[in-house]
Formats: sequence, structure tokens, C-alpha cells
Amino acid sequence: QSALTQPASVSGSPGQSITISCTGTSSDVGAYNYVSWYQQHPGKAPKLMIYDVSNRPSGVSNRFSGSKSGNTASLTISGLQAEDEADYYCSSYTSSSTNYVFGTGTKVTVL
Amino acid sequence: EVQVVESGGGLVQPGGSLRLSCSASGFSFNNYAMNWVRQAPGKGLEWVSGISGSGGSTYYADSVKGRFTISRDNSKNTLYLQMNSLRAEDTAVYYCAKAGNWNVYFDYWGQGTLVTVSS
Repeated sequence: QSALTQPASVSGSPGQSITISCTGTSSDVGAYNYVSWYQQHPGKAPKLMIYDVSNRPSGVSNRFSGSKSGNTASLTISGLQAEDEADYYCSSYTSSSTNYVFGTGTKVTVL
Repeated sequence: EVQVVESGGGLVQPGGSLRLSCSASGFSFNNYAMNWVRQAPGKGLEWVSGISGSGGSTYYADSVKGRFTISRDNSKNTLYLQMNSLRAEDTAVYYCAKAGNWNVYFDYWGQGTLVTVSS
């Protein structure tokens, strides 16, 4: 099972919007509405930001939103803030024996 | 408040064994699947293993199948990962992660415990 493909880095200025893509296959992202997104600051544990493609857990800012089209999911961060600078990983349930697959990770830089 | 706290990491020689533990609180432990996810130094996240709430079903990544064993003690609200025949490529921070509804995402993570496999 190969990792989902994400851009290595995305950057934006404070207040701007950025979008991170997450490309999989018809066995994972394309097959299920079970894409989730995680934020990880350096030296910290990952934090759930989006689940089931577009749902936000309680306490997560509404500046974070998720969507999916075909085999590609996306995370959009609007009104970019300095605290959003972190690594972001997508994940999907998969029909393969591994059950779950993560993305390659994207480093978000706030200019 | 949901909390999961890992322990048991350390330095081990190639071919050796180690058992990780994850103590959980703040939720009905036996009602939720639990997972182990690891992150090699400077690398991305990799799902390692998962177990159903009852402990009756277990799942493994191909990279650890046959070497790692996941288990849980619901009377102690504790998750375990027995790691045998360790290799250098198993070096990573190991996170314990609670599964969300339908066991298709991970909603709470521990702070991680570092496992280093080296001679």
C-alpha cells in the first residue's frame, strides 16, 4: 500500500487561503468518505482537524475545511495565521490489508 | 477529558524485544478500537496496528506482521504492543491513538514514546 500523495510544502501570507491536496486511488480516497486530516507541530503529537472528508471535531477552528473529488481530497485553511504553521497529514481508510494509509505530509509555512 | 499516555520505549539491540503500553482514561475504553501509529525520525506517519474494542479482532501493517502483537486489557484500560525481532527500520516515535466512530480516523493521540533499535 503506497502512501497518499501530498505536496511537500505549501506557503501563504497571513490572512490568505491555502489548499493542500491528497491524492490516492480507487481503493482508498476514491472508495470511501473516510478521509481525515491531522496537524502536527514540531515535537508534538498529531491532532485531528477533519474527519469523514469534511467534518470538524469540536474545538477546531472553522477556518479549516475539507472536501473530496474522485481520488483527491483537499484541506483548505482560510485566514491563514502564524499558529497554522505545521505539518499536515491526510489519511484514508483503505480496502487493502493495511486498513489505513497516511499521506506523505505537507509542511505549511506562513510567510 | 480523554487522555492516552504511552510508556515503554527505549534503546534495544537489533533482534531484541520491547513491549509498549498505553494507559487510557476519560472514555469507555472497551467501546473503542485502539491503534498504534509510528513516525520515524524526520519522516511521515505510518499506521502499525489496530485492535477492536473487545480485543477480538487485530490488524497489522505488512511491515510488522509476524513480529508485532497488539493486545489490550480492558480491566486496566491499557493497550499494549509487543515488538519482537526488532530492526533498525523500526526506530520511531510510537503513538497510541484512539479510534473515532466507525474506526476510520484517530481522534485522540498520546505524546508518543521513542523506540531506538541500534547496536
